[in-house]
Amino acid sequence: AIEMTQSPSSLSASVGDRVTITCRASQGIRKDLCWYQQKPGRAPKLLIFAASNLQSGVPSRFSGSGSGTDFTLTISSLQPEDFATYYCLQNYNYFTFGGGTKVEIK
Amino acid sequence: QVQLQESGPGLVKPSQTLSLSCSVSGGSVTSGGYYWTWIRQHPATGLEWIGHIYYSGNTYYSPSLKSRVTISQDTSKNQFSLEMTSVTAADTAVYYCVRSNADLSNAFDIWGHGTLVTVSS
Repeated sequence: AIEMTQSPSSLSASVGDRVTITCRASQGIRKDLCWYQQKPGRAPKLLIFAASNLQSGVPSRFSGSGSGTDFTLTISSLQPEDFATYYCLQNYNYFTFGGGTKVEIK
Repeated sequence: QVQLQESGPGLVKPSQTLSLSCSVSGGSVTSGGYYWTWIRQHPATGLEWIGHIYYSGNTYYSPSLKSRVTISQDTSKNQFSLEMTSVTAADTAVYYCVRSNADLSNAFDIWGHGTLVTVSS
């Protein structure tokens, strides 16, 4: 089974900060990687698919990059509504989620 | 706009069978290009893909749950369902029904609200 390791598991940041979250796959997964945002009590929301494609309706401050085993989610200027938990998901061989990164207010 | 809604018991006794249904509105479970999926979220261990069913009826399951899980569809009701046998406390989780979209490289693009299932006597 492919394992997905996210880092950091949590971070504190201020509004306007640039935030970067990484995800590493235990084996190559081409660009078969998605990013999700989840707020408490809500279902996850798709942000990025195929590593770098922005889902319709998602603000352009979110971007994704990477291929193979190493991937990055970047929020260019953190907004108040962005405080949430973020998950990566590999959909190359079955589906495996990362452990999550909680973005908190500094 | 496609919407998904889970339904089923919130409490299941250990060793019994967990049964959930997902009603699809605004779309059809028989539409090609979509996998109708079950995902669960444990407070401690995070998000876990359980399995999915294609419009053709083909099913795919997580290897770790395959022996206990069945996903089926009822086209007359436009629903798909999950059955999980021999449940234990470790199966306590929020269960989501989800659409996987081939146009988005099979990303999970539409989620139900989720339903909490507790396994306890």
